[in-house]
Amino acid sequence: DGGITQSPKYLFRKEGQNVTLSCEQNLNHDAMYWYRQDPGQGLRLIYYSQIVNDFQKGDIAEGYSVSREKKESFPLTVTSAQKNPTAFYLCASSNQFTGELFFGEGSRLTVL
Amino acid sequence: QKEVEQNSGPLSVPEGAIASLNCTYSDRVSQSFFWYRQYSGKSPELIMSIYSNGDKEDGRFTAQLNKASQYVSLLIRDSQPSDSATYLCAVTIMEYGNKLVFGAGTILRVKS
Repeated sequence: DGGITQSPKYLFRKEGQNVTLSCEQNLNHDAMYWYRQDPGQGLRLIYYSQIVNDFQKGDIAEGYSVSREKKESFPLTVTSAQKNPTAFYLCASSNQFTGELFFGEGSRLTVL
Repeated sequence: QKEVEQNSGPLSVPEGAIASLNCTYSDRVSQSFFWYRQYSGKSPELIMSIYSNGDKEDGRFTAQLNKASQYVSLLIRDSQPSDSATYLCAVTIMEYGNKLVFGAGTILRVKS
């Protein structure tokens, strides 16, 4: 089945630790995205990548880092510099012809 | 003015009624418009895409686009309790390199 796989689904982190969220897609999409969603709020763009080995900051990139070494993979690292990392993180990829965005199931990060 | 605006709701409708969800956007040259459904604790799911003025129907869902007035709406006919969710409007905004900008969402409650 084609889709986007995020892991882990749930993650607990102590303050001061870096964590990496995995995102893999087999839809053959060029563009991939990371969003953050806080309770009762909309989606905010963290980083996006339109092609391998290239990525751009979104609206709230501070405290996060990404890499795009393969078309299928776009991992997100939440660093200790992110002041309030507890949130629901969503990875997405888009169809370059229709612009439709498809989401993975999400990763819920809680900082203890 | 926010780029994409939605009434946060909740919008309550009785089972079997038509639910009407509205979205306005600020970019006069936006070309792509999407509606996503998000159940509590889950990731957004694409339900409708619309690119040209007029109506587009898919089952019980109808998307309506009026570029001159800069609004897009989603009608859900024969609403069911399973339609209770948050509905996100998303629009490509040229100012941001044609990236998708999401509204904050409208909570829909269908009462049986």
